[in-house]
Amino acid sequence: AQTVTQSQPEMSVQEAETVTLSCTYDTSENNYYLFWYKQPPSRQMILVIRQEAYKQQNATENRFSVNFQKAAKSFSLKISDSQLGDTAMYFCAFPPYGGATNKLIFGTGTLLAVQP
Amino acid sequence: EAGVTQFPSHSVIEKGQTVTLRCDPISGHDNLYWYRRVMGKEIKFLLHFVKESKQDESGMPNNRFLAERTGGTYSTLKVQPAELEDSGVYFCASSRDWNSGNTIYFGEGSWLTVV
Repeated sequence: AQTVTQSQPEMSVQEAETVTLSCTYDTSENNYYLFWYKQPPSRQMILVIRQEAYKQQNATENRFSVNFQKAAKSFSLKISDSQLGDTAMYFCAFPPYGGATNKLIFGTGTLLAVQP
Repeated sequence: EAGVTQFPSHSVIEKGQTVTLRCDPISGHDNLYWYRRVMGKEIKFLLHFVKESKQDESGMPNNRFLAERTGGTYSTLKVQPAELEDSGVYFCASSRDWNSGNTIYFGEGSWLTVV
């Protein structure tokens, strides 16, 4: 079965520090995309970063980067220099059928609180 | 460019009543999706429209849920009659294309509480 697991329901980090959110998944596909979305309180859910499974290089978007371990089926998100605006629920997601559709499977989310 | 908008943002209804949620996708996006998050659980796919056609409705929980997208623009999701287990956040999303790398844009969600 195609699944996504986020084992950290809540995390806290001090402003300016670095935090890593974990995500593991299960799929029999070889080529697929992986996504991290964030939803700030009472705001829209927005895409933070995406990773293509056939690319070995880890994706980076400013202070956000991923550690993609394909063999281990692990896709963690690292937030550097955390800011108060990073406080949000973070969801790991991927489309379960590879390139055929972009219906997404989500994890249960990690609530990240950035403390001043 | 306006994002995906959803209405209402919050709704409290009694068991047995009817609620209709509306979603306006980003202009020009043929693909529209509905997802749902029951409290404490993962966000789950409900269905996918391509223009006015239902591409995939495999996630719809039962026949109390009816989604429409007449004219291929906005969409409505009706729950009738509502049950307690229908409480949660209903997300609408849209994308220009439906290949798996395409960015999906989400709305803020409609919070539904059935009492």
